[in-house]
Amino acid sequence: GAGVSQSPSNKVTEKGKDVELRCDPISGHTALYWYRQSLGQGLEFLIYFQGNSAPDKSGLPSDRFSAERTGGSVSTLTIQRTQQEDSAVYLCASSSQGTAQPQHFGDGTRLSIL
Amino acid sequence: EDKVVQSPLSLVVHEGDTVTLNCSYEVTNFRSLLWYKQEKKAPTFLFMLTSSGIEKKSGRLSSILDKKELSSILNITATQTGDSAIYLCAVVDGSSNTGKLIFGQGTTLQVKP
Repeated sequence: GAGVSQSPSNKVTEKGKDVELRCDPISGHTALYWYRQSLGQGLEFLIYFQGNSAPDKSGLPSDRFSAERTGGSVSTLTIQRTQQEDSAVYLCASSSQGTAQPQHFGDGTRLSIL
Repeated sequence: EDKVVQSPLSLVVHEGDTVTLNCSYEVTNFRSLLWYKQEKKAPTFLFMLTSSGIEKKSGRLSSILDKKELSSILNITATQTGDSAIYLCAVVDGSSNTGKLIFGQGTTLQVKP
């Protein structure tokens, strides 16, 4: 597709359940980022993938959060044992050359934990 | 701690007005500054600024970076209701090679007919 694609667009789940969010970056983009946008807060960085290099996980808020990127393309963000404070919009972005080019965002997944 | 601060946090204007949105930053390893527009969902890219004093322009929108003052402004002239959105400023953190963005809180702009 032409842009970054994320699924699902909305996810409602019960506290304690695991969730998996998916991101399909722009074709050819080697850098992929996950951000979280919570109500009343700005976007915060979660994790970064670049090609086959080890990911930068410095923004992950707890060990309940993990992410992988298979084949250098699609990425999944997994949240285990969800908590109410995990409710947020999770945004994925990709860029063609890391720092030198702008990041382009998907529409995000709105996650609601009941 | 690195931070990006935007002002004002919200703004209400009428169609045809000109607005100036401000972004200031304290980022140890500044690489570049970006502006995004966020309506319902995805932030859409507006400008990427790396050099000081060079204005970037796209239609009625323009932006400039002042590295001496550690700030940037986004100007919108002859505003339209379609300009209503949250405008996000972000700085590329150059402390690693990730290029991760440090975002400000955003400015919510409402343009009334």
